[in-house]
Amino acid sequence: GEDVEQSLFLSVREGDSSVINCTYTDSSSTYLYWYKQEPGAGLQLLTYIFSNMDMKQDQRLTVLLNKKDKHLSLRIADTQTGDSAIYFCAEIFALTGGGNKLTFGTGTQLKVEL
Amino acid sequence: SAVISQKPSRDICQRGTSLTIQCQVDSQVTMMFWYRQQPGQSLTLIATANQGSEATYESGFVIDKFPISRPNLTFSTLTVSNMSPEDSSIYLCSVEGAGPTDTQYFGPGTRLTVL
Repeated sequence: GEDVEQSLFLSVREGDSSVINCTYTDSSSTYLYWYKQEPGAGLQLLTYIFSNMDMKQDQRLTVLLNKKDKHLSLRIADTQTGDSAIYFCAEIFALTGGGNKLTFGTGTQLKVEL
Repeated sequence: SAVISQKPSRDICQRGTSLTIQCQVDSQVTMMFWYRQQPGQSLTLIATANQGSEATYESGFVIDKFPISRPNLTFSTLTVSNMSPEDSSIYLCSVEGAGPTDTQYFGPGTRLTVL
């Protein structure tokens, strides 16, 4: 199957850490991605992780991958009001005609409160 | 990463009409993709567009409804035909970046409202 699930909402206080979780179903994906969508904007690639890694850190972002449980998480340290957005995880599938298709999670709306 | 622009950024259209959305990339790319994001929903792939060949459509999407052109390596169009209110969505194009990570970069999207 190609279902990628996320919790719908997360609310945190400014300065706290945010953890956004994602459960995917296809263990053959080579890469998993996190995208950010701000209101009225397109998708911005935040980070990605290769499937043979279990952790990747990029400044305030930490990605954890548990391949056994097909669980991916994104931790944002010192969350700021500018981090308020919808966050999508995505996994990649090869297309039979060439190229790759992204299957997106349901999206998690992060709200950062002062 | 690629810089991608889309036109129009938004439009309000009448039922039964058609709208063509343009996607321009600042570099030559082999594959371009069109996604739909219905209100409050996630993104769903409509079709993959390779230059010089017919677009490949995902299940649930057909060429008569969503014809796609790919005349060169930096440009593509998606037409939403015979629109109904159910077509109200954000339509996004994306391209696959160079390198081994198969990362896709997205345009800013076209917000379509059908009355």
